[in-house]
Amino acid sequence: DQQVKQNSPSLSVQEGRISILNCDYTNSMFDYFLWYKKYPAEGPTFLISISSIKDKNEDGRFTVFLNKSAKHLSLHIVPSQPGDSAVYFCAASSMGNNNDMRFGAGTRLTVKP
Amino acid sequence: DAGITQSPRHKVTETGTPVTLRCHQTENHRYMYWYRQDPGHGLRLIHYSYGVKDTDKGEVSDGYSVSRSKTEDFLLTLESATSSQTSVYFCATRGQELVNQPQHFGDGTRLSIL
Repeated sequence: DQQVKQNSPSLSVQEGRISILNCDYTNSMFDYFLWYKKYPAEGPTFLISISSIKDKNEDGRFTVFLNKSAKHLSLHIVPSQPGDSAVYFCAASSMGNNNDMRFGAGTRLTVKP
Repeated sequence: DAGITQSPRHKVTETGTPVTLRCHQTENHRYMYWYRQDPGHGLRLIHYSYGVKDTDKGEVSDGYSVSRSKTEDFLLTLESATSSQTSVYFCATRGQELVNQPQHFGDGTRLSIL
């Protein structure tokens, strides 16, 4: 029962363009959402998060959008850089059980120079 | 990141043998977690700890046990390893009492069970 889904296993974009990574969830109790970035042979690194009281959170080149009615969130990277090439994981948890974080399967982003 | 060290980083062992993975943190974080990462599944929570000697099960706890005798160390044990437990294992910690805080991860242990 995968409660967090990333339906695109991979995405390729040109340097300087926008990267949009998508994530859907099924559990309406989720109220805290995160994006992690992972390079090979390293652990996931926290990138950005958003709570359900917001619909947008921005940090430099990274913006996360949350659409609660659609149970959908997206990560926008503008402009994309070759160093952004990595696997991106979407994750979610609920305030009632914030230790039980659920992850999507990941999207491999390749940014071409 | 958050001073998390996992050991060993790589291990190959045989079916039926016991295996223990160690997670050591230097940040005095209260919460510690063990995940496994498999293709098509992302990361799945095995067990977590909310304090010394306080642990609870996660989504995929069958076949695993954990122990936390000190704040800085969280051990994951496979009592009798099976090939289905071949995976990459990640430890994570979270220090804040506030609920909406991210977890921070170690660099993983690649475990192969033949």
